Amino acid sequence: QKEVEQDPGPLSVPEGAIVSLNCTYSNSAFQYFMWYRQYSRKGPELLMYTYSSGNKEDGRFTAQVDKSSKYISLFIRDSQPSDSATYLCAMSAGAGSYQLTFGKGTKLSVIP
Amino acid sequence: DVKVTQSSRYLVKRTGEKVFLECVQDMDHENMFWYRQDPGLGLRLIYFSYDVKMKEKGDIPEGYSVSREKKERFSLILESASTNQTSMYLCATTGQANSPLHFGNGTRLTVT
Repeated sequence: QKEVEQDPGPLSVPEGAIVSLNCTYSNSAFQYFMWYRQYSRKGPELLMYTYSSGNKEDGRFTAQVDKSSKYISLFIRDSQPSDSATYLCAMSAGAGSYQLTFGKGTKLSVIP
Repeated sequence: DVKVTQSSRYLVKRTGEKVFLECVQDMDHENMFWYRQDPGLGLRLIYFSYDVKMKEKGDIPEGYSVSREKKERFSLILESASTNQTSMYLCATTGQANSPLHFGNGTRLTVT
C-alpha cells in the first residue's frame, strides 16, 4: 500500500463549480498536511498548511483533515479558469521531520 | 517571501556529459532538497542537505551527487548524464522541521 494515494484525474469542471480534491494516507504518524498548486512548467507553490485534524479556510480554499479516517481534502469554491493546475497533497510526521511525503497530484481543468 | 532560484529553466545535454544544476535561496535556510518529477511517478527525493557540507541520500540518489559549499547554494551533479535522467528537477528549501517546502521553478533537463 502506498503511503499517500491521490487520484491523478484529470478532473474537468465548469467555471463556478465547487471542486473537491482528496488524498488518503496510511501512516498514522502524519500530523502536518499541505496542499500545493503547480502550474504547467512551474514549481509547486504552497496553498494551505494545516496541523492535525480540522478545517482551515483561506478565501475560496478550504482544507480539511480527518485523521481518524486518514483522509484529507481541499475544496475550491467558485472555481475559476485560473485554478486550472495540478494539485499535490503533502504530509509529514512530527518529531522534527524535514521530509515531506507527496501524493502524485491531481490535474484540474476549469472550463470557462 | 522566500525566493528559490534555479539557474536554468531548460537544458539539453548529451549522454555522458557532466551536468550541473544550481539552486540558490535567499532566506538563510539550513535545509535544501533536490527532487525530480516525472509523469505518473510524482516527486521523488534525490538528495538533501541540513547544513553546509552536509548531505544525505534521498530515495533515488543513484547517478547523482550534490555539493553544498555555501549555505545559500545547493548544486546537483549528474556525473555522466543518461537518457533516463531526462526529467524536471526541482530544488526546495525549508527553515524548520515540519514546515512547508518552498520550491524553485524547476529545470527541465533533456538528455539526448
